[in-house]
Amino acid sequence: GENVEQHPSTLSVQEGDSAVIKCTYSDSASNYFPWYKQELGKGPQLIIDIRSNVGEKKDQRIAVTLNKTAKHFSLHITETQPEDSAVYFCAASTLRKLTFGTGTRLQVTL
Amino acid sequence: NAGVTQTPKFRILKIGQSMTLQCTQDMNHNYMYWYRQDPGMGLKLIYYSVGAGITDKGEVPNGYNVSRSTTEDFPLRLELAAPSQTSVYFCASRERQAYNSPLHFGNGTRLTVT
Repeated sequence: GENVEQHPSTLSVQEGDSAVIKCTYSDSASNYFPWYKQELGKGPQLIIDIRSNVGEKKDQRIAVTLNKTAKHFSLHITETQPEDSAVYFCAASTLRKLTFGTGTRLQVTL
Repeated sequence: NAGVTQTPKFRILKIGQSMTLQCTQDMNHNYMYWYRQDPGMGLKLIYYSVGAGITDKGEVPNGYNVSRSTTEDFPLRLELAAPSQTSVYFCASRERQAYNSPLHFGNGTRLTVT
């Protein structure tokens, strides 16, 4: 079955710096890669996604890149702000199954 | 719209007790899911439903049961609670079964079994 690895497990950056979270997947049939943000005491919320026929997608300060050949994808957050502090989950989806990574706790310090 | 609502938010159970985690959604979504979240383990699918009257097992169904009598409600039942079921439980729904249809999550139920 699909295996999604996510790194790092924790990440601390200063406000204004960039943050990068990386994920790898094993199933070449995976063709959709969403990213979810989980704030304290809340459920995960979709923040950005990318399909396998696209190499990069941006939405304001966040971007996701996908390298299908290497089977890895990354989340980039620029100009980080305190409200970016949360747990971020990557996921990989085939037509039938969605598999989550293990999460990255991002702390943005002042 | 309230979205996906889960109750209770917290619960402590003794080993062997039973309980039902409630989940309701007001988005008229046919597809509903139960996940558990353990530290460092991501989200694991317990059960899912593609519509009223239809349920199926996910990755980690042992020790749980579900029912789906209405489109809105998808309760998760623990019959004989065990310490291994200590976790945070999330209910989610999606509008379509399409793989790229986003999941809408509730705020979770934190369960401790002692």
